[in-house]
Amino acid sequence: QEQLQESGPGLVKPSETLSLTCAVSGYSISSGYYWGWIRQPPGKGLEWIGSIYPSGSTYYNPSLKSRVTISVDTSKNQFSLKLSSVTAADTAVYYCARHGYCTTGGCYHTYFDYWGQGTLVTVSS
Amino acid sequence: DIVMTQSPDSLSVSLGERATINCKSSQSVLYSSNNKNYLAWYQQKPGQPPKLLIYWASTRESGVPDRFSGSGSATDFTLTISSLQAEDVAVYYCQQYFSTPYTFGQGTKLEIK
Repeated sequence: QEQLQESGPGLVKPSETLSLTCAVSGYSISSGYYWGWIRQPPGKGLEWIGSIYPSGSTYYNPSLKSRVTISVDTSKNQFSLKLSSVTAADTAVYYCARHGYCTTGGCYHTYFDYWGQGTLVTVSS
Repeated sequence: DIVMTQSPDSLSVSLGERATINCKSSQSVLYSSNNKNYLAWYQQKPGQPPKLLIYWASTRESGVPDRFSGSGSATDFTLTISSLQAEDVAVYYCQQYFSTPYTFGQGTKLEIK
């Protein structure tokens, strides 16, 4: 059974960098899927932050692109999110999720089928 | 960006009755080369992550009860719950994966009348 688990500080100071990791178990992160981050401010809707394919290809939401870095560590079967220069507007539950897939014929956008439980990150001094 | 707009924002339905949620995209999410609509529906209960219900607009995810169904094409989509159960109380989101940035609807809160 595939599982994703987010981890990282629950409190980040304004102007600092938010750093989260998503550990994947029950499935090899190198086995042909995209891995993404989605966030949800308290009481609000869902916003896609960005995604990575284990080869290193990344896709970011243009609204956050200047502040976001997503990376993957295949040796640890995990991927990470860094969001710089955070403000209170970045306070949210951050989810990691699996989506898409790649074959020899190409890579394909698809729905988010496996999600982590989410971790609340509060930006406050 | 493709804007996803759901209606209504909230919905109250009696147990056993039909619930219908609509989702409209600002541009078509139908990919002509494979005739697939790049549209998914999720259910989110309080304190939980979203759960995939429907993908390709009408394909039910494994394990999802058959009272949930999806329909529509191009820019107009519908999620239908044929006979509302108490455990269906949740917020429902549509999402397009036709192009990045992937975008979600604002959500529809479903309650029991």
